[in-house]
Amino acid sequence: NAGVTQTPKFQVLKTGQSMTLQCAQDMNHNSMYWYRQDPGMGLRLIYYSASEGTTDKGEVPNGYNVSRLNKREFSLRLESAAPSQTSVYFCASSGRSRETQYFGPGTRLLVL
Amino acid sequence: ILNVEQSPQSLHVQEGDSTNFTCSFPSSNFYALHWYRWETAKSPEALFVMTLNGDEKKKGRISATLNTKEGYSYLYIKGSQPEDSATYLCAFEYGGATNKLIFGTGTLLAVQP
Repeated sequence: NAGVTQTPKFQVLKTGQSMTLQCAQDMNHNSMYWYRQDPGMGLRLIYYSASEGTTDKGEVPNGYNVSRLNKREFSLRLESAAPSQTSVYFCASSGRSRETQYFGPGTRLLVL
Repeated sequence: ILNVEQSPQSLHVQEGDSTNFTCSFPSSNFYALHWYRWETAKSPEALFVMTLNGDEKKKGRISATLNTKEGYSYLYIKGSQPEDSATYLCAFEYGGATNKLIFGTGTLLAVQP
């Protein structure tokens, strides 16, 4: 049981480049989430998907788009990367409310 | 704006000491309070999900209490060990079926052998 997997683990981009962060879970969870983690700040929600076919904005959605491809996969896209998007990105999934969210290993992104 | 505060920001203790941290959260729209343990270079791992006022949960030497009326939760570690060194995060789950969490910035615990 792999849990939540993320690719890539590390990426360097130049300002203006685009990329997609991939996330997959094998726990049959309905809900999936993308967070970013910056020094001195808590994990902040970028986007979430309560179920297959639905997505919604979180606290810091600007500059990002998401796709819930199927129940297993939830991708995060940066269309035109900016240095302010340098961060560690975590994907998470959960079954339903009042249940634990399970986190992936993270993607460290550096935008030059 | 929903705000979750944790104190202290960091804590250095000796092996064998007992310690506790505080998480403060809004007392309205409460759905659940989550505690996570986050080791460096790893991903957060769940400790507890607490839902009822007065809840007490325990896992080994770690326990937590919850007061939803006044908006705080305490995490206790009894007899700290070096392997307890980590950042301890709390997260406030607010109303609805979406399981959305607001995270605090965490308490960094360092246990010296």
